[in-house]
Amino acid sequence: SQQGEEDPQALSIQEGENATMNCSYKTSINNLQWYRQNSGRGLVHLILIRSNEREKHSGRLRVTLDTSKKSSSLLITASRAADTASYFCSNSGGSNYKLTFGKGTLLTVNP
Amino acid sequence: EAGVVQSPRYKIIEKKQPVAFWCNPISGHNTLYWYRQNLGQGPELLIRYENEEAVDDSQLPKDRFSAERLKGVDSTLKIQPAELGDSAVYLCASSLDGLGNLNSGANVLTFGAGSRLTVL
Repeated sequence: SQQGEEDPQALSIQEGENATMNCSYKTSINNLQWYRQNSGRGLVHLILIRSNEREKHSGRLRVTLDTSKKSSSLLITASRAADTASYFCSNSGGSNYKLTFGKGTLLTVNP
Repeated sequence: EAGVVQSPRYKIIEKKQPVAFWCNPISGHNTLYWYRQNLGQGPELLIRYENEEAVDDSQLPKDRFSAERLKGVDSTLKIQPAELGDSAVYLCASSLDGLGNLNSGANVLTFGAGSRLTVL
């Protein structure tokens, strides 16, 4: 299975702090994506990093990819209460573009 | 532009009753997905369509679940009969082209808000 696994399962921080979440996967990938899910809502795409990229930025988000370790990390800087959500990584590999998801990291940002 | 539209948002039924969920994907998106999400878990893929063809339904419990995507646009997911364990959120998602160049991000998913099913 190419399913991504997020770590930690839960993370609680204070507003203004940085939050780092990690994702590990099992097979080679074409790209890796991070999604956010607010309570009671569908998932929202945050950022995509291609297999030939090592780092990517989008606003307060920074994603890194280490294909040798089959891992990725998502850093949210200067967190806000509105960042409270579950975060999922997903990937597709080879000719299989099916996106599968792990259990996610539940981030709680306390005001 | 409207996003992925799902209905109903909430459904409560008694076990053994049938239920159907409807999804309207983003216009121009060829690939449509149905996921099931249990509380505290990530989404689990049930079925994926490329246009009107179901190309991956390996996770769909075919004894009670069925899906269709007529004309390669809207899709319905049906459960008959429903069981207590089917209580979950059913998410529909679409992407531009699952067969496209993956490095182009053609498989970025846009999700609907989900349909929350409670089976009593």
